[in-house]
Amino acid sequence: AQTVTQSQPEMSVQEAETVTLSCTYDTSESDYYLFWYKQPPSRQMILVIRQEAYKQQNATENRFSVNFQKAAKSFSLKISDSQLGDAAMYFCAYRRAGGGSEKLVFGKGTKLTVNP
Amino acid sequence: DTGVSQNPRHKITKRGQNVTFRCDPISEHNRLYWYRQTLGQGPEFLTYFQNEAQLEKSRLLSDRFSAERPKGSFSTLEIQRTEQGDSAMYLCASSLEQLGVQYFGPGTRLTVL
Repeated sequence: AQTVTQSQPEMSVQEAETVTLSCTYDTSESDYYLFWYKQPPSRQMILVIRQEAYKQQNATENRFSVNFQKAAKSFSLKISDSQLGDAAMYFCAYRRAGGGSEKLVFGKGTKLTVNP
Repeated sequence: DTGVSQNPRHKITKRGQNVTFRCDPISEHNRLYWYRQTLGQGPEFLTYFQNEAQLEKSRLLSDRFSAERPKGSFSTLEIQRTEQGDSAMYLCASSLEQLGVQYFGPGTRLTVL
């Protein structure tokens, strides 16, 4: 079974600084997708960024980028120029590609605090 | 496109009662997913539908849980004989295609007294 581990229950960053959130996963599949979702307090979960395992290039979305290390099964999220609105729970998630299960497997999350 | 909606947003019930939640996916999304999130944890998959067919169920979905999507549009999740351990946030998500992004609703927070 696939598992996702987020080893940092909480992180904090100063406004305008850069922070990196860690995620590791375990799978025997060769093709899969990885995601970072953001869940602000009392608000719904939204997708931050997605990475296809077959792509070597790291995904980037504006201030958000990932460092995908397939061999190490590592998928970290870097937030540059942090803003107060970035404060939220961040969840790393895995989904296999191809046929079969379409479920997302989530880590336990990292609570990010942004200090003004 | 109004996003995924869920009703009610909050539900308080007494142990042993039955509860039903509704999820309305983004229009034209043929896939609909249910997850459960307890405090301090990430969401855990419960079940998903492709149109009206329920294609996968988690072992978390005990006999007291049943989900339906009768016309391939909205879905309901019913919990019978609720227990205190059922207290959680129940999240619904939908996607347009097999490998599409899953868009989440705001969730229904269930408290079982």
